[in-house]
Amino acid sequence: VQLVESGGGLVKPGGSLRLSCAASGFVFNNAWMNWVRQAPGKGLEWVGRIKGQTVGGATDYAAPVKGRFSISRDDSKSTLYLQMNSLKTEDTAVYYCATGGYISGWPLDHWGQGTLVTVSS
Amino acid sequence: EIVLTQSPGTLSLSPGERATLSCRASQSVSSSYLGWYQQRPGQAPRLLIYGASSRATGIPDRFSGSGSGTDFTLTISRLEPEDFAVYYCQLYDRSPLTFGGGTKVEIK
Repeated sequence: VQLVESGGGLVKPGGSLRLSCAASGFVFNNAWMNWVRQAPGKGLEWVGRIKGQTVGGATDYAAPVKGRFSISRDDSKSTLYLQMNSLKTEDTAVYYCATGGYISGWPLDHWGQGTLVTVSS
Repeated sequence: EIVLTQSPGTLSLSPGERATLSCRASQSVSSSYLGWYQQRPGQAPRLLIYGASSRATGIPDRFSGSGSGTDFTLTISRLEPEDFAVYYCQLYDRSPLTFGGGTKVEIK
């Protein structure tokens, strides 16, 4: 299993950014995929997830990002996306993608190396 | 939303010693959905324990998990140099998935 995030960088408050996570080594289209972030020097914070196609690809989000962030997937490219809008300074973090099995109630068993997003003027 | 509280915040131990890390939930949870992760400096987290007590693939048997209800424990029987890291517990039964604040195991 390999997960490679990209798309991080410096963005001004109020701006937008789209992160990608290229996946390989497993059956992507039915996998539940997650985004987790870690602010500098802080702990892990779950951002949201997208379920597999067998359950319609529904999404869930953490309260701090709901309405601003959007998770999507392109199964033909085995790629996960995180569209981040209306960014705030408190969104500054390393963003990880992680697999979450093929059903509800599965741990995050594989992680990418992360991509850094810095929101600053 | 269930809150996971980890203690202690920092554990200072020597290689070869036993480490006992605690994770307490704000209400009773199913042990089937309690996991532990290790994060070494500069690295991504990795899954150690799932279902409160099952080791993930490739995890050495010096790592063990136990507990039920509101109290869960990660034990490292004899600390190796590579075990000095931050450890997080996580509840993954439903959205939102929640993490504890972490315990740092540092070299004494």
